[in-house]
Amino acid sequence: DAGVIQSPRHEVTEMGQEVTLRCKPISGHDYLFWYRQTMMRGLELLIYFNNNVPIDDSGMPEDRFSAKMPNASFSTLKIQPSEPRDSAVYFCASSFGSGSSGAFFGQGTRLTVV
Amino acid sequence: RKEVEQDPGPFNVPEGATVAFNCTYSNSASQSFFWYRQDCRKEPKLLMSVYSSGNEDGRFTAQLNRASQYISLLIRDSKLSDSATYLCVVSPSGTYKYIFGTGTRLKVLA
Repeated sequence: DAGVIQSPRHEVTEMGQEVTLRCKPISGHDYLFWYRQTMMRGLELLIYFNNNVPIDDSGMPEDRFSAKMPNASFSTLKIQPSEPRDSAVYFCASSFGSGSSGAFFGQGTRLTVV
Repeated sequence: RKEVEQDPGPFNVPEGATVAFNCTYSNSASQSFFWYRQDCRKEPKLLMSVYSSGNEDGRFTAQLNRASQYISLLIRDSKLSDSATYLCVVSPSGTYKYIFGTGTRLKVLA
């Protein structure tokens, strides 16, 4: 069974450009999470969805960040405009059920904004 | 106070040693607990869930102390391949989200 799939694996972009990160969760999972990882702050939860509906976006750093989940098999995280401080590894994860089964992560997108 | 706190380490131990990590959490209503492992430049991977009665998986033992709000991970007979960062994860009751600690780095030395 395929795991969580993220694309692209690496992204280098110039400050001010729009960046879109993509995620395909594990089939049948009803929760999807977007995390950001940096050396300074560790893994931060940005937003999570249940059955395609955003439940908690309190971790989204500012209005430049937005996330959508148009269907059960696809989600995007968009940064517009991007800034150098957005450089980080962005992980998507999915899980089934109510928090007792653990979340499974994609390989991440390493974003560098120059 | 952070929701989940861990000693960042590194813990440098010789092969064959026993090593233990602790993690404290602030939300007393938390309902689910996990340990994850993350290798350098890789994604976090679920190592084991932590149950109230404690649980074991091979060389790994996890325990939960609700009264003191901490969980622990014990690794026996450490292998070189155990070198990684170990992340403590808590799922607060009623939220269905996973809050990660910043991790404890383990280096097993030959």
